[in-house]
Amino acid sequence: GDKVKQSPSALSLQEGTNSALRCNFSIAATTVQWFLQNPRGSLMNLFYLVPGTKENGRLKSAFDSKESYSTLHIRDAQLEDSGTYFCAAAVSNYNVLYFGSGTKLTVEP
Amino acid sequence: NAGVIQTPRHKVTGKGQEATLWCEPISGHSAVFWYRQTIVQGLEFLTYFRNQAPIDDSGMPKERFSAQMPNQSHSTLKIQSTQPQDSAVYLCASSLGSNSDYTFGSGTRLLVI
Repeated sequence: GDKVKQSPSALSLQEGTNSALRCNFSIAATTVQWFLQNPRGSLMNLFYLVPGTKENGRLKSAFDSKESYSTLHIRDAQLEDSGTYFCAAAVSNYNVLYFGSGTKLTVEP
Repeated sequence: NAGVIQTPRHKVTGKGQEATLWCEPISGHSAVFWYRQTIVQGLEFLTYFRNQAPIDDSGMPKERFSAQMPNQSHSTLKIQSTQPQDSAVYLCASSLGSNSDYTFGSGTRLLVI
């Protein structure tokens, strides 16, 4: 089965609203990364997390290793936030990342 | 820091031909990863090098795919006798080492016709 289950698969937001994306892990994830893939296909780093939370501007992410999930909160969504968001998890010192299937976010005016 | 550099950005190859994809990791990064992205399968792990040594190639199709890292400044992914199902975006990433974040290159979009 899927090691990383990401939801929702697609999301449409009005500009200025808030939302949250979630990933559940069936592996013993020790670190999590969140990426945004832009329309050109480049994967941009958003967060690298050990258990805990991080915040960067309008984005906030949390990783709970005991409950095996991570969330990405988007506050005051802007048009430029549109794209596909991926979460990925690694196990212990083994560096390979296992990816979720992505959330395609569309922010509308 | 130019980031992870992948060349070419796009490659079109005829069925049965060979394709070689190049990746230059960030200087000082000891780990290099190759992934493949398709609509159907999403992002799939292919192979992983640490300090130029192959660590895990469990994601590589065994018969036609091979990867090398002859020096710390570049890695190659070679696909022999390409097939239409090999069409995908091939992504290379590097990281400082264990428990470090990845930086991805822009990818090579391979189309096999």
